[in-house]
Amino acid sequence: GENVEQHPSTLSVQEGDSAVIKCTYSDSASNYFPWYKQELGKRPQLIIDIRSNVGEKKDQRIAVTLNKTAKHFSLHITETQPEDSAVYFCAARESDYKLSFGAGTTVTVRA
Amino acid sequence: EPEVTQTPSHQVTQMGQEVILRCVPISNHLYFYWYRQILGQKVEFLVSFYNNEISEKSEIFDDQFSVERPDGSNFTLKIRSTKLEDSAMYFCASSSSGREGLFGPGTRLTVL
Repeated sequence: GENVEQHPSTLSVQEGDSAVIKCTYSDSASNYFPWYKQELGKRPQLIIDIRSNVGEKKDQRIAVTLNKTAKHFSLHITETQPEDSAVYFCAARESDYKLSFGAGTTVTVRA
Repeated sequence: EPEVTQTPSHQVTQMGQEVILRCVPISNHLYFYWYRQILGQKVEFLVSFYNNEISEKSEIFDDQFSVERPDGSNFTLKIRSTKLEDSAMYFCASSSSGREGLFGPGTRLTVL
């Protein structure tokens, strides 16, 4: 089965700086990689995703890159704001039926 | 914007009791999922449901668990003979394509 590793586990950045979270996956058959943001006590919210036929995707201040050969993908948040503080989870989908999550990164944006 | 809904928001039960967690997926979605998240840990896949049957399940989803779609709108997770370690947040999710998953607000299950 798929194994997703996520680093770092915690990340503290100054407001306005960039934040980068990295994930690796083990199953080369995985073909879809979403990122979720979870605020305290709330549901995970999909913020961006990337499919295996694409190397990079950007949505305003958020971007995701995928390196299929190395089996790793990253989330980049630019110009961080206090409301970006949350736990971020990467995930990999190996089939239509199963999503495997990373352990999460707690991001704190210092004002 | 349509959302996945779940009831109850919090369920407290005694060890050994049965609980049923309920979800209403988004109406035109075809794929349904249950996940759980033990406090402070990552989200774990439990089971997926497609075309009125289980399509995949994790090693966590043993005989203690079952899922059902009793009518055209509800999707339920039953946990028989609950254990202390079943205490967690249980999230339902649904998807139209088997890719993006939209999560419900979760049910916090506390087993005493």
